[in-house]
Amino acid sequence: SQQGEEDPQALSIQEGENATMNCSYKTSINNLQWYRQNSGRGLVHLILIRSNEREKHSGRLRVTLDTSKKSSSLLITASRAADTASYFCATDRAAGNKLTFGGGTRVLVKP
Amino acid sequence: GAVVSQHPSWVICKSGTSVKIECRSLDFQATTMFWYRQFPKQSLMLMATSNEGSKATYEQGVEKDKFLINHASLTLSTLTVTSAHPEDSSFYICSASGQAVAGSYNEQFFGPGTRLTVL
Repeated sequence: SQQGEEDPQALSIQEGENATMNCSYKTSINNLQWYRQNSGRGLVHLILIRSNEREKHSGRLRVTLDTSKKSSSLLITASRAADTASYFCATDRAAGNKLTFGGGTRVLVKP
Repeated sequence: GAVVSQHPSWVICKSGTSVKIECRSLDFQATTMFWYRQFPKQSLMLMATSNEGSKATYEQGVEKDKFLINHASLTLSTLTVTSAHPEDSSFYICSASGQAVAGSYNEQFFGPGTRLTVL
């Protein structure tokens, strides 16, 4: 079963705007990761945040993690048309290496 | 980063036939490989976990006799969809991870996926 739920399911923005998406999960985790998937392609790993971290940055990406609320957010700043993709969060449960994926957010960045 | 390949990238087959999908780790030894299925506009669902040299562990609801997984070497795992039917049409993605190190995150590296269409 899917542990992570993401919102919004779809997001449409203009180039240059910021895009924010959220992920919630149900059980304790070791790490939370965000992935990007272009249509019909494999996954691209974006960023990993550990359960003892609260915020992490990578280029135009900013990820936050609130373990008390069991939620995470991914912010893409100054979006570009090339950021158009689906974004998934995935949790790594404390008991092992299995990843459980959220439902995903489809982001459309209009030029 | 580590590279994982899948072959074929897409396949079309007739209902009732079997299809084999290969997942290879190209530059590292994959102790564990994972197989996921993704239906259109949906998320990835873990089907099974396979460790080299042992039987795969299937997730609840996944038929092990229909989705045969073999992980005979540290660089190759195969998924065979037996007697495929149109409802098996999906995007199949594998991932691979190496030897776990205590206290460290054991990263999964994803293949590019295989699009299966059953007519």
